[in-house]
Amino acid sequence: EAGVAQSPRYKIIEKRQSVAFWCNPISGHATLYWYQQILGQGPKLLIQFQNNGVVDDSQLPKDRFSAERLKGVDSTLKIQPAKLEDSAVYLCASSKVLSDTQYFGPGTRLTVL
Amino acid sequence: AQSVTQPDIHITVSEGASLELRCNYSYGATPYLFWYVQSPGQGLQLLLKYFSGDTLVQGIKGFEAEFKRSQSSFNLRKPSVHWSDAAEYFCAVGQYNNNDMRFGAGTRLTVKP
Repeated sequence: EAGVAQSPRYKIIEKRQSVAFWCNPISGHATLYWYQQILGQGPKLLIQFQNNGVVDDSQLPKDRFSAERLKGVDSTLKIQPAKLEDSAVYLCASSKVLSDTQYFGPGTRLTVL
Repeated sequence: AQSVTQPDIHITVSEGASLELRCNYSYGATPYLFWYVQSPGQGLQLLLKYFSGDTLVQGIKGFEAEFKRSQSSFNLRKPSVHWSDAAEYFCAVGQYNNNDMRFGAGTRLTVKP
C-alpha cells in the first residue's frame, strides 16, 4: 500500500513570494491533516479535512495560509505571501476516518529567505 | 489550555540499556494520548496510543507506555534499546476524532554503541 505522498520535498523562496504544497493521501482515507513543524518544535495542526469539508482550521493563519481538498482526495496548502517565520517542515497526514491512526508523509521543507 | 511537556530535550543511552522518555500533559477533557517516532528526513510513525482501559499500553518495536492519571503522565519505556531506535520521539494529546492534536517539543534519543 502506498504511503502519503508529498511534493515538493524541498522549497526555497524569498519572503513575500507565494508557495504551494501538494499532498496525496493513502487511498481510501477520508481524513487529511496539514501540520507545520518548526525546527526544534513538535508538529502543530494547521487544518483537518473530512472528505472535502474542513473539520478544524482554528490554528491556520488565514490571512496568508489557505488549503483546499476539492475532490476529497489530494490537497494543496498555499502560503501567500510568505514570511521568514514560515520556514518549517510542512507535514501531511491521513487517516481512514476521524478517529483512526494518522499516517504521515515525509514532509516538505520550506526555507524562506 | 491543552499542552504537552517533554522535559528532556536530548537523552543518550547505551545500546542494550533501558529507556524511559517522560511526557506530562494538561488537558481539560478525557485525553487520548499518543507517542510518535520521527527518524531524520522521515514522517512521523505512531508507536502506540492510549484511549481507555488498561493503563499499560504495548506498541510496536518493543515500546510500551503507562498512563498515570494522578501524575498527568504518559511515559514511554523500552527495556533494551537498539541502535536503530535513535530518533526523535514526540508525545501528543488529542480528542477521540483526532481534533485538537497537541504535540510536545520532542525528545531526541542518541544510542551509544
